[in-house]
Amino acid sequence: GNSVTQMEGPVTLSEEAFLTINCTYTATGYPSLFWYVQYPGEGLQLLLKATKADDKGSNKGFEATYRKETTSFHLEKGSVQVSDSAVYFCALMNRDDKIIFGKGTRLHILP
Amino acid sequence: GAGVSQSPSNKVTEKGKDVELRCDPISGHTALYWYRQSLGQGLEFLIYFQGNSAPDKSGLPSDRFSAERTGGSVSTLTIQRTQQEDSAVYLCASSLDTWGTEAFFGQGTRLTVV
Repeated sequence: GNSVTQMEGPVTLSEEAFLTINCTYTATGYPSLFWYVQYPGEGLQLLLKATKADDKGSNKGFEATYRKETTSFHLEKGSVQVSDSAVYFCALMNRDDKIIFGKGTRLHILP
Repeated sequence: GAGVSQSPSNKVTEKGKDVELRCDPISGHTALYWYRQSLGQGLEFLIYFQGNSAPDKSGLPSDRFSAERTGGSVSTLTIQRTQQEDSAVYLCASSLDTWGTEAFFGQGTRLTVV
């Protein structure tokens, strides 16, 4: 079946550090891939997405590239800010199917 | 409406009672999802409605849980004979019936079973 595996948290970084949160997936066919973010006290919202191989999703300085050869969709940001502190979820969706989420990675950014 | 609306936002109930959680999806969205998020945990899939197709109920944890979607719009998640382990935030999301489009989430219902 379809599944998503992302790195365990929490991840603690200093402000302006480089961020990578790993995400790999198992799926049949050609799923769409997503990163969702949940800021403290807020609802879940889409951060970025990619719908086909080699696509790069980007938003708010974050990027992730759909790598079919490695079945990965790692999230990166070159210089994190305190305001990036949140829980990040990697997710996939196959055609006409539910969205499957990873377990989430809590990110703490220290000033 | 402008977004996915869930009610109530908070619900405290006694063990053994039944509860109903409501979700109003974004108008025109044909896909509707229910997830559960326990404290510090990830998102647990419960049920998925897609248009007129039979719902995917594969995530419902027991037969105490059921959900329906009336008229392709509003959905109600019912938990019968609640248990303490049912305490969690129940999240509803909706999306267009188009592959690859994002799902929009409501703020959730925080259920506490005492």
